[in-house]
Amino acid sequence: NAGVTQTPKFQVLKTGQSMTLQCAQDMNHEYMSWYRQDPGMGLRLIHYSVGAGITDQGEVPNGYNVSRSTTEDFPLRLLSAAPSQTSVYFCASRGFYTEAFFGQGTRLTVV
Amino acid sequence: KNEVEQSPQNLTAQEGEFITINCSYSVGISALHWLQQHPGGGIVSLFMLSSGKKKHGRLIATINIQEKHSSLHITASHPRDSAVYICAVRSTNTDKLIFGTGTRLQVFP
Repeated sequence: NAGVTQTPKFQVLKTGQSMTLQCAQDMNHEYMSWYRQDPGMGLRLIHYSVGAGITDQGEVPNGYNVSRSTTEDFPLRLLSAAPSQTSVYFCASRGFYTEAFFGQGTRLTVV
Repeated sequence: KNEVEQSPQNLTAQEGEFITINCSYSVGISALHWLQQHPGGGIVSLFMLSSGKKKHGRLIATINIQEKHSSLHITASHPRDSAVYICAVRSTNTDKLIFGTGTRLQVFP
């Protein structure tokens, strides 16, 4: 039981480049979410999903895209990276009545 | 005003001391989570509770639904407890998690 697997752990992008952060869970959880963590602020929701084929925007969705083709996978795509997207990103999953499980985090720097 | 407020923001303690971290919230909730994040590390769930009290080892979490307040206690603190502790609530209105900004704890030997 691996829990939530998030890759990569570190990434440096140039402005304008695109990339995909991968997130997979093996707990058959309905809810999956992407958050960004910035200094002095709580975790902020980017996008979330309540099941395969269902996604919705969170608090800070601009510049990011998601899809949920399977229960297990919830990738986050940066369409055209900007310095404002420099942050630490966390993927999380939970069942309806379960605790939340987080990936190891991705430290992204956009130069 | 944030919907989830934690206090204190920073806390230092000597090894062995009893630690209390507080969380107040202003929205209706179905559950409250306490999370731990070590420096440069991932986020780990410590507790999820919707009423009363839970205990795990040296950690105790309590919640008072009427007062919209929760506390996380650490008994006999140890340097390995040094981390950021984050309170998050699951909103009954949106079913999403709302996070506090965290309490940074440093325990010195």
